[in-house]
Amino acid sequence: EAGVVQSPRYKIIEKKQPVAFWCNPISGHNTLYWYLQNLGQGPELLIRYENEEAVDDSQLPKDRFSAERLKGVDSTLKIQPAELGDSAVYLCASSLGGGFAQETQYFGPGTRLLVL
Amino acid sequence: ILNVEQSPQSLHVQEGDSTNFTCSFPSSNFYALHWYRWETAKSPEALFVMTLNGDEKKKGRISATLNTKEGYSYLYIKGSQPEDSATYLCALAGDSSYKLIFGSGTRLLVRP
Repeated sequence: EAGVVQSPRYKIIEKKQPVAFWCNPISGHNTLYWYLQNLGQGPELLIRYENEEAVDDSQLPKDRFSAERLKGVDSTLKIQPAELGDSAVYLCASSLGGGFAQETQYFGPGTRLLVL
Repeated sequence: ILNVEQSPQSLHVQEGDSTNFTCSFPSSNFYALHWYRWETAKSPEALFVMTLNGDEKKKGRISATLNTKEGYSYLYIKGSQPEDSATYLCALAGDSSYKLIFGSGTRLLVRP
């Protein structure tokens, strides 16, 4: 079974440039999550989708970050414009759905972003 | 704000050594605890989901225990191998929903 796919794996950009990350979840998984992981810290949730609906975007900095999940399958996370402090790993995860505490979230390998 | 602490931050052991590390969390906010292993350049891999006080789970040479009353979980690795080198993350579900609060991880390096 294919896992969660993310691209690109690495991205280097200059500040003020836009950047986008793509995620394809495990087939059949209704729930999709985007996490941000800063160096030396654990992942933090940015946004969660149930199918195509963003049901929790409370932690997404909406002035510069946006996300979409058209057709309820793959998803794109965008930053425009990027700032130096956005350098981090952006992780995508998916789960079957239901949003329960015991439900395993399956992660992709992440996109490592460096903003110069 | 819930705080999940992991210790130690990093650990170097010799191949063959057994080792363990700790995940601490507020005992008053517990629904489930997840353990993940994250090898460099790979995806975080789910190891265990633990829900009941006294739970003990095992996967090969790795096992985990849970004490919800005192708010901690231990992860044990028996006979560490170089391929066990990774960051081990725990994540608390502090309510009945999907929201996971991650610790900062324990970075394990196993020397051959």
